[in-house]
Amino acid sequence: AQSVTQLDSQVPVFEEAPVELRCNYSSSVSVYLFWYVQYPNQGLQLLLKYLSGSTLVKGINGFEAEFNKSQTSFHLRKPSVHISDTAEYFCAGGRGHDYKLSFGAGTTVTVRA
Amino acid sequence: GAGVSQTPSNKVTEKGKYVELRCDPISGHTALYWYRQSLGQGPEFLIYFQGTGAADDSGLPNDRFFAVRPEGSVSTLKIQRTERGDSAVYLCASSLVGGAGETQYFGPGTRLLVL
Repeated sequence: AQSVTQLDSQVPVFEEAPVELRCNYSSSVSVYLFWYVQYPNQGLQLLLKYLSGSTLVKGINGFEAEFNKSQTSFHLRKPSVHISDTAEYFCAGGRGHDYKLSFGAGTTVTVRA
Repeated sequence: GAGVSQTPSNKVTEKGKYVELRCDPISGHTALYWYRQSLGQGPEFLIYFQGTGAADDSGLPNDRFFAVRPEGSVSTLKIQRTERGDSAVYLCASSLVGGAGETQYFGPGTRLLVL
């Protein structure tokens, strides 16, 4: 199964500053990767996903991520955050024909004014 | 349209009791997944349904856990003889056909507390 590691458990950031959330995965064979966001008391919502093709993936709410095969990474970035981006972010992955996702432990982003 | 719904949103039970958690997937989605999220961790896969059948139950921790989806829509996760370690948020997700890389749409979860 795919193994996913999120390198930061908490990321505090000021409003309008950039943010990067780091994610590494364990395999480079037929991998597909996702970033989900979980707002307080809500379900997981898809931000973006990588299946194949262009390594720069754009998602909702101004987020983007870059698939880097040589570094087995899929870091999430946003150039300017808002207070409303305060949430928990999960990186998830799967491999080959496997439909089940392996999730990282999550990164809590707290945006301060 | 309506998303994935789960009931109840919270469940408190005593050790040794039986509980049922319900999931209503997005209409028309043939694939349904159950995950469990313990405090401070990411979701962990439990079981996957394609239609009415459990295509993969490799994530169920032991035989106290069982899930059904008799008509290929609503699913129920059943836990017998609950233990304190079963306390977690149980998440349900659905996808259109269940292929690799397909987006899974998650419900808000059921928070289970075993006293």
